Amino acid sequence: AQSVTQLGSHVSVSEGALVLLRCNYSSSVPPYLFWYVQYPNQGLQLLLKYTSAATLVKGINGFEAEFKKSETSFHLTKPSAHMSDAAEYFCAVSEGGAQKLVFGQGTRLTINP
Amino acid sequence: KAGVTQTPRYLIKTRGQQVTLSCSPISGHRSVSWYQQTPGQGLQFLFEYFSETQRNKGNFPGRFSGRQFSNSRSEMNVSTLELGDSALYLCASSFRGQGDSPLHFGNGTRLTVT
Repeated sequence: AQSVTQLGSHVSVSEGALVLLRCNYSSSVPPYLFWYVQYPNQGLQLLLKYTSAATLVKGINGFEAEFKKSETSFHLTKPSAHMSDAAEYFCAVSEGGAQKLVFGQGTRLTINP
Repeated sequence: KAGVTQTPRYLIKTRGQQVTLSCSPISGHRSVSWYQQTPGQGLQFLFEYFSETQRNKGNFPGRFSGRQFSNSRSEMNVSTLELGDSALYLCASSFRGQGDSPLHFGNGTRLTVT
């Protein structure tokens, strides 16, 4: 069965600094991978997805993620953090072809002024 | 297009009662999924419906059930509520309902069981 591990339940960076949120997955088949963001009292919003095309995926709000098969990783980055990036971020893997996501435990991102 | 709409936003129930949550997907979306979000267990998949058929089910007891109507609207029901059922219940829809399809989430229904 697929699983997702997000390293660091809480990450804090300064405004303007690099954001790096780590995600490792396990899957017996080529995975579909997603990053979602959740703001307080809201649902999840898709940031980006990997579906076996380009390994470097660009998403909304300046975020991007790189799929590395050898490392089974799909880390999320943003070159320069903004205060509005403060939220909880979830990495997820799709179980085969099914519309069924397995989520990581989430990483809460705090931006310091 | 309107997004995914979940009603009600907040619910307070007592143990032993039952509850029904409602979800209206984005127009044209045929797949509706439900997730439970708790601080301890995180986001867990409940079930997924496509064209009124349940295609996938998560590892939840039979007290959790759902259905989808011909207009793609969906409901989930929890019977004999337990304190541990307190959670944010999220509904999500997609057009194709396949593994690479991004999910569009509603803002959730926060259920508190006392």
